Amino acid sequence: DVKVTQSSRYLVKRTGEKVFLECVQDMDHENMFWYRQDPGLGLRLIYFSYDVKMKEKGDIPEGYSVSREKKERFSLILESASTNQTSMYLCASISGAPIYNEQFFGPGTRLTVL
Amino acid sequence: AQTVTQSQPEMSVQEAETVTLSCTYDTSESDYYLFWYKQPPSRQMILVIRQEAYKQQNATENRFSVNFQKAAKSFSLKISDSQLGDAAMYFCAYRSSSYNTDKLIFGTGTRLQVFP
Repeated sequence: DVKVTQSSRYLVKRTGEKVFLECVQDMDHENMFWYRQDPGLGLRLIYFSYDVKMKEKGDIPEGYSVSREKKERFSLILESASTNQTSMYLCASISGAPIYNEQFFGPGTRLTVL
Repeated sequence: AQTVTQSQPEMSVQEAETVTLSCTYDTSESDYYLFWYKQPPSRQMILVIRQEAYKQQNATENRFSVNFQKAAKSFSLKISDSQLGDAAMYFCAYRSSSYNTDKLIFGTGTRLQVFP
């Protein structure tokens, strides 16, 4: 079974702190994604990556950056956390083919910025 | 740009009964993929069912089935013989058939409660 893990289930940070959220998948998937989940807004794509060192902006990249130095690991970085970044963050991965493959999700990190 | 709309923020059903969750989408593409994902409380999101737009036959997975109406751009999920374990957030999602993107576009979700 595919396993996607995230470094923390719950995280509390202060405004202005640099925050790292880490995601690891164990199925050699090429594509990885970071989503943000908010009540009433569903899941919104922040960034995604098709390969090591490659990244593309999603729908809401402002205030975030990402890093993918190894195929299995995709990190989301909040350079200077703000209260409006309090949210649930979900990581997902998918094999490049076939195209109708499902995305596999991690358990999520609930981040609170005080 | 494609959009996905789930107009029912919350639904409830009695155990063993049937419930239908609605989803509509907007796209100019003729080929695409649709998914229903389930997110149980404090647990990981998992795929429930998927439908390829070029297939006319509605997808079915055990107690879960879809009613795919391509012309109406509607993709509803029917859960038969509801069980307590079906209580969760359900998200409808759209994916383009273009190979240059694996992005999913999600609806806002429907919270399903199941009563004994």
